[in-house]
Order: sequence, then C-alpha cells, then structure tokens
Amino acid sequence: KQEVTQIPAALSVPEGENLVLNCSFTDSAIYNLQWFRQDPGKGLTSLLLIQSSQREQTSGRLNASLDKSSGRSTLYIAASQPGDSATYLCAVHSGGGADGLTFGKGTHLIIQP
Amino acid sequence: SAVISQKPSRDICQRGTSLTIQCQVDSQVTMMFWYRQQPGQSLTLIATANQGSEATYESGFVIDKFPISRPNLTFSTLTVSNMSPEDSSIYLCSGDRGGNTEAFFGQGTRLTVV
Repeated sequence: KQEVTQIPAALSVPEGENLVLNCSFTDSAIYNLQWFRQDPGKGLTSLLLIQSSQREQTSGRLNASLDKSSGRSTLYIAASQPGDSATYLCAVHSGGGADGLTFGKGTHLIIQP
Repeated sequence: SAVISQKPSRDICQRGTSLTIQCQVDSQVTMMFWYRQQPGQSLTLIATANQGSEATYESGFVIDKFPISRPNLTFSTLTVSNMSPEDSSIYLCSGDRGGNTEAFFGQGTRLTVV
C-alpha cells in the first residue's frame, strides 16, 4: 500500500526566503506526482504535475523535482511571499493512472511579512 | 484544467439523516473521485465514480454508507447516509481526463453532524 510522508509538518519563515518542502513515498512504481496548495475553507489548487519519466517541473517561482527510484520529491519556493501561506500537499498517482491519488498530510506554511 | 462546482459548500446535519453532495464539471472528464478529509488529516480516497455503473470503493468504505451516482461524464453525487458525528469532515470531489493529466478539485463540502 502506497504511503506518502511530508516533512516538515509546519514551517514559518520571513518573507523573501527560499524554502524547500519534502515529500517521500514508499512505492516507487508511480504514474505521476502532483503538488497542491490548500487554503482555509477552499478546495485544492494544482501547482505542478511531474510525470514518472520527468525529473522536474517549473512554474514561476515554484520548482518541483522527482527522484522516483529513491521515492522522493521536493517543492522549491523561491522568494517567498505572504500570499504563499497555505498548506502544501503532495499526492502520488499509482495504478497506471486510473486510480485516485494518495496524499501526504501536508506542510502548513506561514510566510511572515 | 476544468472547473468543478460543488454544493453545498457547508452544512450542519442531525445524526441519523442523510446528505447528498453534488459536483458539476464544466466539461467532460474521464475520471471522477470522491475524497474525505477528516479534521487535521489529509485526504483519503472514498471511491471512484464510474459513469453508468457502480462506483469502486476503497477499503473501509461501503456503498450502503456512501452511495455514489455518476449518470454522465460531467456530474456526480455522493450521499452520506445515516450520519453520525464521526462523519463530520470535508468531502471533496475530483476529476481528471485520464493519463498524465492534472487532477482538479471542487471547493469541498464542510459537513458537521450534531
């Protein structure tokens, strides 16, 4: 059974810092991996999707990497802003893509102005 | 990605009653899923909503408790039946177009059972 772990569980940093969020998964036979952000009282917003054959994806100030063989992914946020404050979720898509996602518990991020 | 409209956004219900949550997608999607997010926890998959056939449930979830319908490629409902306080959670629907495409989510339904 796939398990996803995210470290740290919570993080508080001053505005402007670069930061890294970590995600690990137990079964390396994944289809893809997706990073989301969740804001209080709202649904999930997709940030980046990395296919199993890819090593990284970039969108603006966000960069996600994937090392499938070691079961790890990182989300790098450059020049953090208060608007980046949210819970960041890592989710793995296994089973050939036809199954649902397995989520980590998330990293609760606070960017101090 | 597509947009999913989910309703209601929140509800407070009496124990023993049932609530039906609806999700409408603005374009056809291949797959639709239902998740539960219990307080302080991450999302757990309840079931895959199959178009025109019975849903596929994950271990620990049963059709009698969480009946699901998906009459077409843009609409699905989840019913939480015979509710107890332990059912208090956020329920979210999700869709994707299959293959290596992004999953996208509705805004969620915050359910409180009293």
